[in-house]
Amino acid sequence: DSGVTQTPKHLITATGQRVTLRCSPRSGDLSVYWYQQSLDQGLQFLIQYYNGEERAKGNILERFSAQQFPDLHSELNLSSLELGDSALYFCASSGPGEKVYGYTFGSGTRLTVV
Amino acid sequence: GQNIDQPTEMTATEGAIVQINCTYQTSGFNGLFWYQQHAGEAPTFLSYNVLDGLEEKGRFSSFLSRSKGYSYLLLKELQMKDSASYLCAHSGYSTLTFGKGTMLLVSP
Repeated sequence: DSGVTQTPKHLITATGQRVTLRCSPRSGDLSVYWYQQSLDQGLQFLIQYYNGEERAKGNILERFSAQQFPDLHSELNLSSLELGDSALYFCASSGPGEKVYGYTFGSGTRLTVV
Repeated sequence: GQNIDQPTEMTATEGAIVQINCTYQTSGFNGLFWYQQHAGEAPTFLSYNVLDGLEEKGRFSSFLSRSKGYSYLLLKELQMKDSASYLCAHSGYSTLTFGKGTMLLVSP
């Protein structure tokens, strides 16, 4: 157990639907990162939050949004889902400082859009 | 990561030594990481280099040359369980950018 908790582990949904992925960071970590990993693309950075505030944005689609709550857990919302959104979604955390010395990853959520 | 290059696949024999190379281009460099990822699982941290030179950790070593934008991961005494994807990543101040990974297949 890495200390980073992601739920759910698996999600199957239809095109056009909306889903929410949840992440609780490791105790003491203030940064949460979301990554998407598809078979041919590797780990693609989506977005980072630090202590409740958005800090960095990567290749995140407008249909996707995220937030970090006061208790530091984070949610990634994916809407108007398309077949191409099927992927592994990883959350990672680091901290407590903002400078990164490596991530701890959660076990991921496998999203299948049918 | 479009600015990180590593081989797509490598094969090696159990007990052998393998070197996985990584080249990168970035500004604001703050360190070079290697992660191991088994299929369908989360990446796990292997090593971190911020200064030039070799860092050794058991069967795994990692080397960095900042002037050349080059790193390698050296795996010794290969075991079947080392079959996995190895991800090179460089860090900016607060985020990591990953390469696409090198799939290593260890055969008996």
